[in-house]
Amino acid sequence: ELKVEQNPLFLSMQEGKNYTIYCNYSTTSDRLYWYRQDPGKSLESLFVLLSNGAVKQEGRLMASLDTKARLSTLHITAAVHDLSATYFCAVDIRLSGGGADGLTFGKGTHLIIQP
Amino acid sequence: DGGITQSPKYLFRKEGQNVTLSCEQNLNHDAMYWYRQDPGQGLRLIYYSQIVNDFQKGDIAEGYSVSREKKESFPLTVTSAQKNPTAFYLCASSIGQLTGELFFGEGSRLTVL
Repeated sequence: ELKVEQNPLFLSMQEGKNYTIYCNYSTTSDRLYWYRQDPGKSLESLFVLLSNGAVKQEGRLMASLDTKARLSTLHITAAVHDLSATYFCAVDIRLSGGGADGLTFGKGTHLIIQP
Repeated sequence: DGGITQSPKYLFRKEGQNVTLSCEQNLNHDAMYWYRQDPGQGLRLIYYSQIVNDFQKGDIAEGYSVSREKKESFPLTVTSAQKNPTAFYLCASSIGQLTGELFFGEGSRLTVL
């Protein structure tokens, strides 16, 4: 059974600081996704990582994937209040023969950025 | 504008009643999914469908049923057999083959009174 673990689950940080959220998973996969969720809202896609060594950046957020270590990181640079949200990683396991069988999500990291 | 529409946004139900949540997409995606989210938790997969007239159980299918009669539509019925149905329900779709990236609707919040 695939397990996806994020840490920390809760993070309070000050504006201007840097921090990293970690996502570990238990089964071989080379497809990992990061999503953002604002309170009471749906999930918004942030990054799609489809190979070992993949790195994507958007503004103050940067995501990377190490499939050998089964680890993805989401790095926040010089945090601003608008980045306060819950961030989820999700892993894609395909059964042999292909098909889209859904993603397995971590529990999310609740991020609060204080002025 | 292409997207996924869920309705209703909020729903209250008495114990013992079935309720159906609607999900419609105009993205021309093959695959559709239903997830459940509980407070402070990640998302758990209820059912998914890769093509019309076919669907598979996810991790927590007990007490739920679905149908996929049209490519655009994937309604979820929460039956009286679901022991703890109060949750936030999210419908999603994906292209299916090239990437598993999911695109989500706005969600339906179900409260059982």
